[in-house]
Amino acid sequence: DAGVIQSPRHEVTEMGQEVTLRCKPISGHNSLFWYRQTMMRGLELLIYFNNNVPIDDSGMPEDRFSAKMPNASFSTLKIQPSEPRDSAVYFCASSQGTSGGDTQYFGPGTRLTVL
Amino acid sequence: AQSVTQPDIHITVSEGASLELRCNYSYGATPYLFWYVQSPGQGLQLLLKYFSGDTLVQGIKGFEAEFKRSQSSFNLRKPSVHWSDAAEYFCASGKAAGNKLTFGGGTRVLVKP
Repeated sequence: DAGVIQSPRHEVTEMGQEVTLRCKPISGHNSLFWYRQTMMRGLELLIYFNNNVPIDDSGMPEDRFSAKMPNASFSTLKIQPSEPRDSAVYFCASSQGTSGGDTQYFGPGTRLTVL
Repeated sequence: AQSVTQPDIHITVSEGASLELRCNYSYGATPYLFWYVQSPGQGLQLLLKYFSGDTLVQGIKGFEAEFKRSQSSFNLRKPSVHWSDAAEYFCASGKAAGNKLTFGGGTRVLVKP
């Protein structure tokens, strides 16, 4: 299996622009997670889906952030408008089941820089 | 609320020496416990996990971890460190209900030649 696939790997944009990050989970996995990693705040869970349904979006910073999972093999995280403080590495992860004991498999991340 | 604490932000160890990374969790019941490793520029990779049973868990790359309920700890160990072990290590816990993981702040390991 190719693992969790994220695109793009790097994104540089200007403040105010819309940014869309993409994730393809491992085939057969039922849960998908979006995380953000910064030096200041560490690894934060933004939102997660079970069976394509958003379960907990309490980590989404504000209304500028939105996430969708239109089918089992694709998810997007959108930031509109972007701000310099959104600069971070964004990880997508997937797991097979919906239990806290299921291993989460992480993608390589998207490094976002907002100028 | 569930929380995970990794008291050491940085650790420097000589190649060939032993390594122990500390992790403490806060949760009423026995949680699911994980150790992940993140190499520079990479995503997180699972090293090992604990659910129940034997409190000493073996993982990949020669790592092991021991669950100690009395100390609410799940420390990670490796007897002899290799230069390739330089990375950041994250401890995490999960609950049976809901698949949200709580991560610690991470410990960055530097390996001296």
